[in-house]
Amino acid sequence: DAGVTQSPTHLIKTRGQQVTLRCSPKSGHDTVSWYQQALGQGPQFIFQYYEEEERQRGNFPDRFSGHQFPNYSSELNVNALLLGDSALYLCASSIVQGPQTYEQYFGPGTRLTVT
Amino acid sequence: AQKITQTQPGMFVQEKEAVTLDCTYDTSDPSYGLFWYKQPSSGEMIFLIYQGSYDQQNATEGRYSLNFQKARKSANLVISASQLGDSAMYFCAMSNYGQNFVFGPGTRLSVLP
Repeated sequence: DAGVTQSPTHLIKTRGQQVTLRCSPKSGHDTVSWYQQALGQGPQFIFQYYEEEERQRGNFPDRFSGHQFPNYSSELNVNALLLGDSALYLCASSIVQGPQTYEQYFGPGTRLTVT
Repeated sequence: AQKITQTQPGMFVQEKEAVTLDCTYDTSDPSYGLFWYKQPSSGEMIFLIYQGSYDQQNATEGRYSLNFQKARKSANLVISASQLGDSAMYFCAMSNYGQNFVFGPGTRLSVLP
């Protein structure tokens, strides 16, 4: 049973460019969330996708957008890259099985460096 | 708004000893879940343990146990018999019905031989 996978592993971009990160959820999971983790900090929630729609969004500008496909995989797009966008981007897949029964598993992350 | 506080930026423990990592949380929701994750230097977030707010018993997973004190809004992680491979960052997180995941700033645990 494959876990959460992300691609690419590492990425180097220049300021002003656009980037697309990809995520495939764990088998059986229907929800995908994206997080940004700056060096030395905890992950910050970007947004969550469920049934191909953005269900929830954190405090991130519109330069950050996403998509979920019918097979539950997801993409994170960042436009007009800034130096401050350099971080580890984590994808997590989850499923809600009851009012208090849910799990969330993370992928290995994509390390984005903006120069 | 939900908030997670981890007051220990770094902790040291001797190999084979137990260690407690502190986590306090703040929420007005009656139903929520509490999570602990381990993040080695490789960067991957590894799920360790989960506690639901209505669970009567403290969660346990192998050498990990969660000391859940609802009235004090604390969810401390206890690692028994520490191993060198336990050296990593540890994050406490909470969620409301699978949404609104909020993470704490983390605690760096170093296990000494």
